[in-house]
Amino acid sequence: DSGVTQTPKHLITATGQRVTLRCSPRSGDLSVYWYQQSLDQGLQFLIQYYNGEERAKGNILERFSAQQFPDLHSELNLSSLELGDSALYFCASSVASGGSSYNEQFFGPGTRLTVL
Amino acid sequence: GENVEQHPSTLSVQEGDSAVIKCTYSDSASNYFPWYKQELGKRPQLIIDIRSNVGEKKDQRIAVTLNKTAKHFSLHITETQPEDSAVYFCAARGDSWGKLQFGAGTQVVVTP
Repeated sequence: DSGVTQTPKHLITATGQRVTLRCSPRSGDLSVYWYQQSLDQGLQFLIQYYNGEERAKGNILERFSAQQFPDLHSELNLSSLELGDSALYFCASSVASGGSSYNEQFFGPGTRLTVL
Repeated sequence: GENVEQHPSTLSVQEGDSAVIKCTYSDSASNYFPWYKQELGKRPQLIIDIRSNVGEKKDQRIAVTLNKTAKHFSLHITETQPEDSAVYFCAARGDSWGKLQFGAGTQVVVTP
């Protein structure tokens, strides 16, 4: 167990709908990262938050948005869902305080999203 | 930004043999290189990492080497076992806030 939790584990919804995925980082970690992993694909970086602020953006669609709350948990919102959005969505956390520090990322168990 | 290439995409080895996965990166400022193992349907798990001030690191049957001049790093698994079968991802830290750029992954199959 990495200490990173994600809910729900599975989510089945229809095209056009909106869903929210939740992530709680490890105790003491200030950074949260979101990744998308489609079938037989690698880990596509979506977005990073550090202590409530957006720090880096990857290949995140405009239909997707995220935020990190004062208690450091994060939510990834996916709207106007399409069939191609079906994937495993992972959250990871690290200390990540910037500068030259080395920050291991620890992954949560993921949320499997199926869009029908 | 950072770009990481990983080879091979699939690797089949006989139990007991060694496996080697190679990655190259583009940003000479990258200073942290972790390796993750992902079993089917599970989370990626950090198995070993190396920092740019070190050339080699070993942990039991797993070792990682780094060549900063050539900008490549490799994962070596010795005496492979069936439980080593998984997808392995290399990554490079591309910015000071910890963002990782991942390689495309290597599917390792260890046959008894």
